[in-house]
Amino acid sequence: DAGVIQSPRHEVTEMGQEVTLRCKPISGHNSLFWYRQTMMRGLELLIYFNNNVPIDDSGMPEDRFSAKMPNASFSTLKIQPSEPRDSAVYFCASSPLSPVEKLFFGSGTQLSVL
Amino acid sequence: GENVEQHPSTLSVQEGDSAVIKCTYSDSASNYFPWYKQELGKGPQLIIDIRSNVGEKKDQRIAVTLNKTAKHFSLHITETQPEDSAVYFCAASRSGAGSYQLTFGKGTKLSVIP
Repeated sequence: DAGVIQSPRHEVTEMGQEVTLRCKPISGHNSLFWYRQTMMRGLELLIYFNNNVPIDDSGMPEDRFSAKMPNASFSTLKIQPSEPRDSAVYFCASSPLSPVEKLFFGSGTQLSVL
Repeated sequence: GENVEQHPSTLSVQEGDSAVIKCTYSDSASNYFPWYKQELGKGPQLIIDIRSNVGEKKDQRIAVTLNKTAKHFSLHITETQPEDSAVYFCAASRSGAGSYQLTFGKGTKLSVIP
């Protein structure tokens, strides 16, 4: 298995632009997470999907952030409009188990908003 | 909610020496404690975990210990090698039906000096 696949690996954009991050979870995993990693705040859970349904989006910073999971093999995290404080590494992770324990992380998207 | 504190934030050891990273948690109901290793440019990867019904677990050169009474757990790496250099994260969760929330520590950057 190729593991969790994220794209792009790096994204540089200007303030105000729309940014879309993509994730393909491991086949058969029914839980998907989006995390944000910064030096100041560490790893923060943004949103959790179970069987393609958003269960907990309380970590989404504000309305500028949205996430979708149209099917079991694809998820997107969108920021519109982007701001410099959104600069961070964004990770997607999936898990095969319920209750969720072992997370399998992708390699992340390094986002820089200028 | 759960709060996980991790110390130290940085740790340098000579190759062959041991390294110890410590974490404390606040929620006495937490019962699952994984450790993740994050290499440069990659996502965190699970390296070992322990449940609250076990006091110690070992896997080759790494071991974890858990003190439920004191609510702290530790990662021990013996005979460190340069490839052990990475950022290590501890985490805690309540593992049960419907649970999904892992709370991560802020991480420890381990440098193994050849």
